[in-house]
Amino acid sequence: KAGVTQTPRYLIKTRGQQVTLSCSPISGHRSVSWYQQTPGQGLQFLFEYFSETQRNKGNFPGRFSGRQFSNSRSEMNVSTLELGDSALYLCASSFSGGANTGELFFGEGSRLTVL
Amino acid sequence: AQSVTQPDIHITVSEGASLELRCNYSYGATPYLFWYVQSPGQGLQLLLKYFSGDTLVQGIKGFEAEFKRSQSSFNLRKPSVHWSDAAEYFCAVVLNYGGSQGNLIFGKGTKLSVKP
Repeated sequence: KAGVTQTPRYLIKTRGQQVTLSCSPISGHRSVSWYQQTPGQGLQFLFEYFSETQRNKGNFPGRFSGRQFSNSRSEMNVSTLELGDSALYLCASSFSGGANTGELFFGEGSRLTVL
Repeated sequence: AQSVTQPDIHITVSEGASLELRCNYSYGATPYLFWYVQSPGQGLQLLLKYFSGDTLVQGIKGFEAEFKRSQSSFNLRKPSVHWSDAAEYFCAVVLNYGGSQGNLIFGKGTKLSVKP
């Protein structure tokens, strides 16, 4: 069974640009969550999608958005990039959704560098 | 505010020695508790979880953790560390929303180095 796949793995952008990251969950998983990991702030929850609906959202500005498609694949978008957006963005999937119902399976992440 | 504290940023142990990584949480209700491990350049892998019941839980790779409500702690242990255990370890909690979905709140992590 294939794991969670995130693309691209590495990317470099400049301030003011926008970026789209993609996540393909494990087959059969309907929930996709996104996390930002930085050395200073650690791992922070961005949002969770379940059956194409955003079910939960962390405390991030509106520049961070996401969506989920009917095949459960998810994308997140960051507009008007700032230097502080440089981070490892991790996607996690689960069958029923939510960390309190079972295990989250994480991808290897997309490392974004903003210059 | 909800928080998870891992007091040790970096720990070095000798191969074969025992290991204990500390985790404390602050919540009013009983949370669901997790330990994840992250190897360099990798995503996170679940080691073990505690939802209810027996307060000593067994996980993968020979790890175990004990939930102590009185101390608001969920410490991770391993009797004999292997060189391959070198990684970063994250404690995480989520409130028991009783059916609705919550998100994981992670500690800042403890980096484990293993001496040969």
